[in-house]
Amino acid sequence: DIVMTQSPLSLPVTPGEPASISCRSSQSLLYSNGYNYLDWYLLKPGQSPQLLIYLGSNRASGVPDRFSGSGSGTDFTLKIGRVEAEDVGVYYCLQTLQTPYIFGQGTKLEIK
Amino acid sequence: QVQLVQSGAEVKKPGASVTVSCKSSGYTFNEYYIHWLRQAPGQGPEWMGWINPSGGTKYAQKFQGRVTMTRDTSISTAYMEVSRLRSDDTALYYCARDSVSAPGAVFDFWGQGTLVTVSS
Repeated sequence: DIVMTQSPLSLPVTPGEPASISCRSSQSLLYSNGYNYLDWYLLKPGQSPQLLIYLGSNRASGVPDRFSGSGSGTDFTLKIGRVEAEDVGVYYCLQTLQTPYIFGQGTKLEIK
Repeated sequence: QVQLVQSGAEVKKPGASVTVSCKSSGYTFNEYYIHWLRQAPGQGPEWMGWINPSGGTKYAQKFQGRVTMTRDTSISTAYMEVSRLRSDDTALYYCARDSVSAPGAVFDFWGQGTLVTVSS
């Protein structure tokens, strides 16, 4: 199985400041079609998971443009341009190149 | 609007079975895969498997033999049965729609979650 490693696991951020989360996979997620099979989700307490970024860098419908995804192969990054209070929760990367689809350990973003 | 509405919370004894339903509305049910995932207390999400529009299934090896996914297209509802329940099956179970506009598995809409508690 592909192993997904996120860092940091805890991320305290001052509102208005940027934030960055790293996700590394144990093997390349770049498929022959040119797509990276890496998505980002946000889990807020008491809510269903929310898709933020798919295929490495595509922002999902309705997601604010302060969220961006980048990277290729085995190294990926989720960036939040200016953190807002509503961004608190746990962020997960997910590889969907091969089954079983595996999530990272999660990064808990909290407001300072 | 797209909605996936799951059945209510369940409490089961070890060794029993549970079936969770996921009723879709607001889109053409027959055109989309449905995935099932779960999140145990204090853990991250875990992918369990999918069922495609034709009723074909793919399960994570961990759940092979214990999980059965089905769908009834006449009522736009997907089902997941977990048998031989253990205490470590206690979790919030989700269904999620797989977007057809992108390759890979992209879970663009989710059910509200169904809490399954396994306790003697």
